[in-house]
Formats: sequence, C-alpha cells, structure tokens
Amino acid sequence: SQTIHQWPATLVQPVGSPLSLECTVEGTSNPNLYWYRQAAGRGLQLLFYSVGIGQISSEVPQNLSASRPQDRQFILSSKKLLLSDSGFYLCAWSVVGGGNTGELFFGEGSRLTVL
Amino acid sequence: AQRVTQPEKLLSVFKGAPVELKCNYSYSGSPELFWYVQYSRQRLQLLLRHISRESIKGFTADLNKGETSFHLKKPFAQEEDSAMYYCALSGYGGATNKLIFGTGTLLAVQP
Repeated sequence: SQTIHQWPATLVQPVGSPLSLECTVEGTSNPNLYWYRQAAGRGLQLLFYSVGIGQISSEVPQNLSASRPQDRQFILSSKKLLLSDSGFYLCAWSVVGGGNTGELFFGEGSRLTVL
Repeated sequence: AQRVTQPEKLLSVFKGAPVELKCNYSYSGSPELFWYVQYSRQRLQLLLRHISRESIKGFTADLNKGETSFHLKKPFAQEEDSAMYYCALSGYGGATNKLIFGTGTLLAVQP
C-alpha cells in the first residue's frame, strides 16, 4: 500500500534561518506531488506542485522554493525564513493517468514556527 | 478567479440534529467538487466527491450549479462526526489534481 511521510513534524526556527522540509512517498511510482500551507483562518493554500523529477510549478510568489530530486521525494526549502512563513505545511500526492480519481493523499504535516 | 467559500468557521449542533455545512464556489467551467475531513490527530482525508454521488458515513453533498453550491449534509449528527471539514474545487483538469480549498468549518457535535 502507498504511504507518505513528512518530517520534521515540528520545527521552531529563528527569522533569517534556512528551512528544509522533506516528504517521501512509498508504494507508487511517478506520483504528482504537492506542497500546501495551512495558515490560521486562511484554509489550505497550494504552494508548489510537481509532475516529475526536476519539474516544479509555483502557485504563489513567496519566500519558499521546492525541489524534486527523486521520483518520490519532494523538498520544501527557504534560504531565509520570515515570520510570515509560520504555518502548517502539508505534503500530498495523487495518482497520474487512468487511476486518477481526483483524490489527494496527505501527509501528517509539519508545523513551522518562526520566531 | 476560482474560489471556494465556507462561511462558517464553527458549527455546533447536538447529537441527533441535522447538519449542513455550507460551501459555495466560483468557477467558470465545469468544476469537480470534494469534501475533505480532518479528525482530531488524524490526516486530512477525502470524505466524498460530487462525481461519485455517494453517501459516506451518512453524509451527502449535491452539486447545485445554479447556486454554485456544494453543501454537505447529514440528517442525524453523531459525536464522532466532530472534525474539521474542507470543501475543495478542482477545475484545472489535465495531469494534476490542483485543489483549491475553502477555509474550513469546524463541526462540533455535542452529546
């Protein structure tokens, strides 16, 4: 069966420090991958998505970047964190092709607090 | 622009009472609508999709294109229904499932 893992689960970082959140998917090949941010009162905002290795699309301009160095690995990064980067980050994957039902499968999330 | 609106941040009902979680959307094409749920200390997961026309855990949702709504309903709420509910829209098609989510409604079912 397919699983998705995110880490770290919780992170407290000072303003100006770098960030790396990692997400891996197991049990499937060539998934679509997504990073969402959940901020208080603002729902879930799509940040990045990827349809393949090295292929990253950004939905909103921001202080963050994403990379997909391997088929089932998706990384969210920042060189210098801002206070506004605080939030709950969710990684998700979806099936590509004939098995696509439109469903996203979410990880457990990473809570980032920037002080 | 595509948008999903959930007007209620919190909905509190008593066990056995009917539940309706409101969702309105803005989209110029033919949307696909979903309801996702997050129970306490669990992952966000799909509850139901409009295209399946299914009832999950007693919940149903009908897409009303005239009113651009996709309200989630259950005739008799149970305590285990307490959770955060998100309405989501997928209108992009193609190879990705880029969902636009609403801000969510917290359903609290009182005993």
